[in-house]
Amino acid sequence: EDQVTQSPEALRLQEGESSSLNCSYTVSGLRGLFWYRQDPGKGPEFLFTLYSAGEEKEKERLKATLTKKESFLHITAPKPEDSATYLCAVQTYSGSARQLTFGSGTQLTVLP
Amino acid sequence: ETGVTQSPTHLIKTRGQQVTLRCSSQSGHNTVSWYQQALGQGPQFIFQYYREEENGRGNFPPRFSGLQFPNYSSELNVNALELDDSALYLCASSLEGPGETQYFGPGTRLLVL
Repeated sequence: EDQVTQSPEALRLQEGESSSLNCSYTVSGLRGLFWYRQDPGKGPEFLFTLYSAGEEKEKERLKATLTKKESFLHITAPKPEDSATYLCAVQTYSGSARQLTFGSGTQLTVLP
Repeated sequence: ETGVTQSPTHLIKTRGQQVTLRCSSQSGHNTVSWYQQALGQGPQFIFQYYREEENGRGNFPPRFSGLQFPNYSSELNVNALELDDSALYLCASSLEGPGETQYFGPGTRLLVL
């Protein structure tokens, strides 16, 4: 069974204090690993897609990396506006549908 | 370019009732997926529609059903509502194809009393 586990569940950082979020996965036939940001009461906002081990993508203070068993979301010098829940998902097939299997997320709080 | 929209934003129903949620896809997208997100959890896949047909379903009972229309908009119908159906319902649109990104709407918050 496809599984995605995110850690830690919650993370509190001071503004400017860099850190990493972890996403470990077990899946048969990875067709993409996705990172989303979700603000309270809103839909997930797309951040990155990674397709193969060794791939890296960057956007502002965020950098996502991928290995064969896990992905990391590195946050460099975070600001309070980076506070959100960060969701990791793997894309697999359900019938002929491409479904996303999500982890439970990491709730990030950046304190000023 | 118009993003994914959903209606209504909030809804309160009582146990046993039926509900219909609506979703308009992002311009140019032909595939719609529905997810259920309980509080504090990641979204769970309900089903996906492509070319007006359901082409895959997660672990949800048949009382969860859907439609996709020729303009690629979609509906999620839930019959015989249960208390556990209270959740944020998310619609995501994408192009068809492996590895294509799914873009989410703002969601509909359903409360079943």
